[in-house]
Amino acid sequence: KAGVTQTPRYLIKTRGQQVTLSCSPISGHRSVSWYQQTPGQGLQFLFEYFSETQRNKGNFPGRFSGRQFSNSRSEMNVSTLELGDSALYLCAGSTGTGELFFGEGSRLTVL
Amino acid sequence: DQQVKQNSPSLSVQEGRISILNCDYTNSMFDYFLWYKKYPAEGPTFLISISSIKDKNEDGRFTVFLNKSAKHLSLHIVPSQPGDSAVYFCAAPLFTSGTYKYIFGTGTRLKVLA
Repeated sequence: KAGVTQTPRYLIKTRGQQVTLSCSPISGHRSVSWYQQTPGQGLQFLFEYFSETQRNKGNFPGRFSGRQFSNSRSEMNVSTLELGDSALYLCAGSTGTGELFFGEGSRLTVL
Repeated sequence: DQQVKQNSPSLSVQEGRISILNCDYTNSMFDYFLWYKKYPAEGPTFLISISSIKDKNEDGRFTVFLNKSAKHLSLHIVPSQPGDSAVYFCAAPLFTSGTYKYIFGTGTRLKVLA
């Protein structure tokens, strides 16, 4: 079966801009979680969506937001980009319990 | 507050020897732990897990040990192979308000030398 698809894979933005990242989980996986990976910080939890509802949220500012569609695809948006937002953004799907299946990530560089 | 800690950012091991990756946690509510492996330019992939009712789980060359009293788990890879070179993350699900989120450690970069 198809894996988790994240788009775009790479992108470069400038400070103050906004960005939208997309994630399509494996078919049948209704939960999508988003993580930010930066050197030395590991994977920091952003939020989790299940059946179009945000179930859980990490400790990130309100500039970070997300949503999930009825087909389980999810988007995350970062507004007013800062240099510190440069990171690898990973999404992971699951059935709602148990193992996470990650995409390859979207690498964001903010200049 | 880092609830899951991996204090060794990197580790180098000779091919054929044992690799031991460590992870400490602070939250006694964790009752399930996972290890993920990540290659460059790829997403993390699930490697092995352990429930808190066990103290050991083995899958081929990979064994995870759990010491609940010390709040410590370790991943053993024997024998280590060059293809094992990757970043390894330990993780634990935190259940709150009827749902959960995974808490990850900062990762340990393993390099297996041929």
